[in-house]
Amino acid sequence: EAQVTQNPRYLITVTGKKLTVTCSQNMNHEYMSWYRQDPGLGLRQIYYSMNVEVTDKGDVPEGYKVSRKEKRNFPLILESPSPNQTSLYFCASSPPRERGENTQYFGPGTRLTVL
Amino acid sequence: LAKTTQPISMDSYEGQEVNITCSHNNIATNDYITWYQQFPSQGPRFIIQGYKTKVTNEVASLFIPADRKSSTLSLPRVSLSDTAVYYCLVVILYNQGGKLIFGQGTELSVKP
Repeated sequence: EAQVTQNPRYLITVTGKKLTVTCSQNMNHEYMSWYRQDPGLGLRQIYYSMNVEVTDKGDVPEGYKVSRKEKRNFPLILESPSPNQTSLYFCASSPPRERGENTQYFGPGTRLTVL
Repeated sequence: LAKTTQPISMDSYEGQEVNITCSHNNIATNDYITWYQQFPSQGPRFIIQGYKTKVTNEVASLFIPADRKSSTLSLPRVSLSDTAVYYCLVVILYNQGGKLIFGQGTELSVKP
C-alpha cells in the first residue's frame, strides 16, 4: 500500500532533550516536506527536500533540522526542543512535478508535547 | 510572495452546494492552485488542482477566473461526512525550490 509513515505518533518530552521524528514513504517520491499545524495558524511548512541531499527552509525552520540521505526517508530533528514547539507535525511527499503542479500525500501526524 | 486568504468557517446543510473561495492576489505565473481536505486527527488529503478556468473531478469542481487572483472550490450536494477543514494551497518559488503556502483553512460544518 502506498503510504507515508511517521514515528512516533505521540511523544511527550522535556525541554532540551534531543528528539527525532522519522518519516518514510514507499512511493519513490522525490519531494518531501515537514509541516507543523497549530490552532488558528493552519499548516506551516518547516523544511522541504527536492531530492536526496537537497533540502531547504520553509516558512518556520527555526529550531529544526532535517536530513535526506535516502530518497524514502526524511527525519525531522529537534536538537533542543522548547515548549513553543509543542504542535502537530505532518510529513508529506509528492511525485515529480510538471510546472507548478503539486499533489502531496500526507502522513498520519505526530503530536508532540514539550514540557 | 503569494498569500492565500479563506473564510475561517462556513455552515451548510445536507444536500446543498457549498462554494469556498480563496483569494491569492500575488499568485505567480507558474503557480497552481490546489485544495486539500482534512478530518480531525488525520493528515490533509488532496481534492483537486487547477491552473485556470474550470476543473472537475468525481469529488469537486474548481473555478479559477482569468486573473487567477482567486479560486472557488465547489462541493455539490454535501453530506455530513463532508464536515472537515478545507485548505487552499498555492505553490510558489517553483523554479527556486518547492516552497508551499497553505491558507489558514475553512472549517465547513454540514448539518442535517
